Amino acid sequence: QVQLVESGGGLVKPGGSLRLPCAASGFSFSDYYMTWIRQTPGKGLEWVSYISGDGTTKHYADSVMGRFTISRDNAKNSLYLQMNSLRAEDTAIYYCARVGSIEAAGTFDHWGQGTLVIVSS
Amino acid sequence: DIQVTQSPSSLSASVGDRVTITCRASQDIRHYLAWFQQKPGKAPKSLIYAASRLQSGVPSKFSGSGSGTEFTLTISSLQPEDFATYYCQQYNSYPPTFGQGTRLEIK
Repeated sequence: QVQLVESGGGLVKPGGSLRLPCAASGFSFSDYYMTWIRQTPGKGLEWVSYISGDGTTKHYADSVMGRFTISRDNAKNSLYLQMNSLRAEDTAIYYCARVGSIEAAGTFDHWGQGTLVIVSS
Repeated sequence: DIQVTQSPSSLSASVGDRVTITCRASQDIRHYLAWFQQKPGKAPKSLIYAASRLQSGVPSKFSGSGSGTEFTLTISSLQPEDFATYYCQQYNSYPPTFGQGTRLEIK
């Protein structure tokens, strides 16, 4: 079955960096767009970034553009989110998710369990 | 960005009840709307995509309808495991956006 497992969360100071990996299994990883979504009590669910199956197409939310970088290693069935210049408002649970196909392209059919990132001095 | 507004924000119901949650989009999103269920401490789970299509494995007690700007999620014969927070999400236009959630509580 589809499994997505995030790691790498933790406490980081404002201005710092963190890299979140997501290990995927149970499906043909390179066939799917993947995404990062974050959740906070205040702002709810917020889409962060997409990457195409071959890694050549990437999109970012305005709130993270220029600070976050999404990438993938299809040989390792892994997705990554490099987060630089972190701010307090980046504090959230970060989920990796698989993007659906055909009529579900653009929504998220499987999610990881999430990893908590806290940005605080 | 397209705004997606859910109503009500919270809802109390009893086991066995049928409930309906509404999601309104600020622009026409055709049928590109999804619904998710989230339980405390867990990731959201996909229930419905394309407004009315059930994800594999989702019981038929969940149903979705609507198109354009107004959509509904109906849950029939509520069971204890259905009490959770429900979110809608539009994916007609970039960036994808979520509603603020509807918390379904046991009365």
